Amino acid sequence: QLQLQESGPGLVKPSETLSLTCIVSGGSIRSDTYYGAWIRQPPGKGLEWIGTISYSGTTYYNPSLKSRVTISVDTSKNQFYLKLTSVTPADTAVYYCAKDGHPAPWFDPWGQGTLVTVSP
Amino acid sequence: QSALTQPASVSGSPGQSITISCTGSSSDVGSHNLVSWYQQHPGKAPKVIIDEVSERPSGVSDRFSGSKSGNTASLTISGLQAEDEASYYCCSYAGMHTWVFGGGTKVTVL
Repeated sequence: QLQLQESGPGLVKPSETLSLTCIVSGGSIRSDTYYGAWIRQPPGKGLEWIGTISYSGTTYYNPSLKSRVTISVDTSKNQFYLKLTSVTPADTAVYYCAKDGHPAPWFDPWGQGTLVTVSP
Repeated sequence: QSALTQPASVSGSPGQSITISCTGSSSDVGSHNLVSWYQQHPGKAPKVIIDEVSERPSGVSDRFSGSKSGNTASLTISGLQAEDEASYYCCSYAGMHTWVFGGGTKVTVL
């Protein structure tokens, strides 16, 4: 059973870079069917798709975040990563990683999520 | 890329049916059948309950159903139960392998 878990700092200072890791277990992401996604949710607000990466490293980003986002993958470690630069308090959110069902239109399963707060 | 429009809240009594709308545009909801719905209980990760407009993943109750007309997708919950009290989000493909979510709807069981 595929499981995902996010890890990374819970507090980041404004203007710095947010870095998170998604650890995938119960299956290999070294597959031509594997796509991983990052999705975030500010406290009390809705979901926002950040981006998706394929097993081969092809990336797709939300146009509104594209200039600040980098998603990468390490198939040897069964992990994929999120970097968001120049963060502000508006980037405070629970960050989720999930399997992107590409080409099917769903995200499943999801990690439990990790709260990242941007504050001095 | 603008968020899809959902009502902020919908309520119903146990046993009733409710419908949640999700309005987009001809660039997303209206252009294909790549719409999914997610249920999220407080403090938990979302869970997919409908994909490709009306398909239920294995294990999802048949009380949940989806449909679409033009630029608006809809989720109907039949036989409302206390456990259905949660937030619901729609999500649509928006072209160039990008995705857009709705703002979410909080369902209250009276």
